[in-house]
Amino acid sequence: EVQLLESGGGLVQPGGSLRLSCAASGFTFSNYAMAWVRQAPGKGLEWVSSISGSGGNTPYADSVKGRCTISRDNSKNTVYLQMNSLRAEDTAVYYCAKGDSYVSSSTFDLWGRGALVTVSS
Amino acid sequence: DIQMTQSPSSLSASVGDRVTITCRASQSISRYLNWYQQKPGKAPMLLISTTSSLQGGVPSRFGGSGSGTDFTLTISSLQPEDFAAYYCQQSYNTPWTFGQGTKVEIK
Repeated sequence: EVQLLESGGGLVQPGGSLRLSCAASGFTFSNYAMAWVRQAPGKGLEWVSSISGSGGNTPYADSVKGRCTISRDNSKNTVYLQMNSLRAEDTAVYYCAKGDSYVSSSTFDLWGRGALVTVSS
Repeated sequence: DIQMTQSPSSLSASVGDRVTITCRASQSISRYLNWYQQKPGKAPMLLISTTSSLQGGVPSRFGGSGSGTDFTLTISSLQPEDFAAYYCQQSYNTPWTFGQGTKVEIK
């Protein structure tokens, strides 16, 4: 079955760190770019970051640049999002999404169920 | 960054109605426009890519059109399972940006 499964969400204090993981199955993972998209409670969708199939291209949204790092391990079919210096405004459901090509994740054609990250003291 | 503006933000409609949602980009994005559906408590799902390409399994009552800065998602005959939020997203350049969403509710 083609699916994405996020893990690693939870409650973290402001200034803290968290690493999200997304395990992929059912497709040739290394052939596709991957992305993280977040949704604050009751709000719309916000693209966070993407990573190409090789891992060599990693754009970020300005809102997380310098605080988040996306990476992937093609041997484990897993993409990660390391989040540091977390702020209250980072509270959101974080979705892992599959891009429709090797280089770009411009179109998100498969989504995970999401991982809730809550930043609060 | 390219700003995406959807209208309306919400609408009430009845089963069988024809529904139209519009999406406007702050600059020309050619036809690099995607539509997603999100039901409450669920992940978004890609409905239409590149303005008008229906994804596999998506009913033919969904259709997309437009180019440049103005785009439209049309549901020709609203069904009970179509009550959801709909988001447009430009795939022209990073940062990939979404519209604020349109919530389709039961009348």
